[in-house]
Amino acid sequence: EVQLVQSGAEVKKPGESLKISCRGSGYSFGAYWIGWVRQMPGKGLEWIGTIYPGDSDTRYSPSFQGQVTISVDRSISTAYLQWSSLKTSDTAMYYCARTHGHPDYWGQGTLVTVSS
Amino acid sequence: SYELTQPPSVSVSPGQTARITCSGDALPEHYTYWYQQKPGQVPVLVISKDSERPSGIPERFSGAGSGTTATLTISGVQAEDEADYYCQSADRSGIYVFGTGTKVTVL
Repeated sequence: EVQLVQSGAEVKKPGESLKISCRGSGYSFGAYWIGWVRQMPGKGLEWIGTIYPGDSDTRYSPSFQGQVTISVDRSISTAYLQWSSLKTSDTAMYYCARTHGHPDYWGQGTLVTVSS
Repeated sequence: SYELTQPPSVSVSPGQTARITCSGDALPEHYTYWYQQKPGQVPVLVISKDSERPSGIPERFSGAGSGTTATLTISGVQAEDEADYYCQSADRSGIYVFGTGTKVTVL
């Protein structure tokens, strides 16, 4: 069974750093792109970017380029989304998804709250 | 940046037909996918590759594409179809993008 399990909810202060994770299982992790999606409170889905675990090829949506970093550790079948300096506007639910032309399996989501 | 435009809301009575459009210049170059999201839940794929219905999705859901517009149709709407719906495709560089989202209200 394909599963993507994300790390737990986070509460941070503005300016702090953060790295959330997404562990895949039940399939060949290195053979499928992993994408990250943001959903701000009461708002729509926004595509952040994708990474190919096989060679770490990473592509960002223009709106998120330079704002976040996507990475992967293939040895533990885990993808990451990280911020170096959080803003209150980063408060959102973040989903990872296995991507094969489109997101076909989703993680449960990680709620990130940034507040002073 | 590239955008996929959807109407913010669609209201429909039970048993009627709901149509949701998704407009984007690059739609002719990539497949369109449609997702349903209910409050507090992960999105669920309801239409794949413009018009294919995944296993387990009711026959009342259908999709079609024509040029720069894709359409999701829900025929014989039921109360359980009340949700947010998002189209998803890619821009000319192959970067994925979601539509702006449509809230379907069943009256």
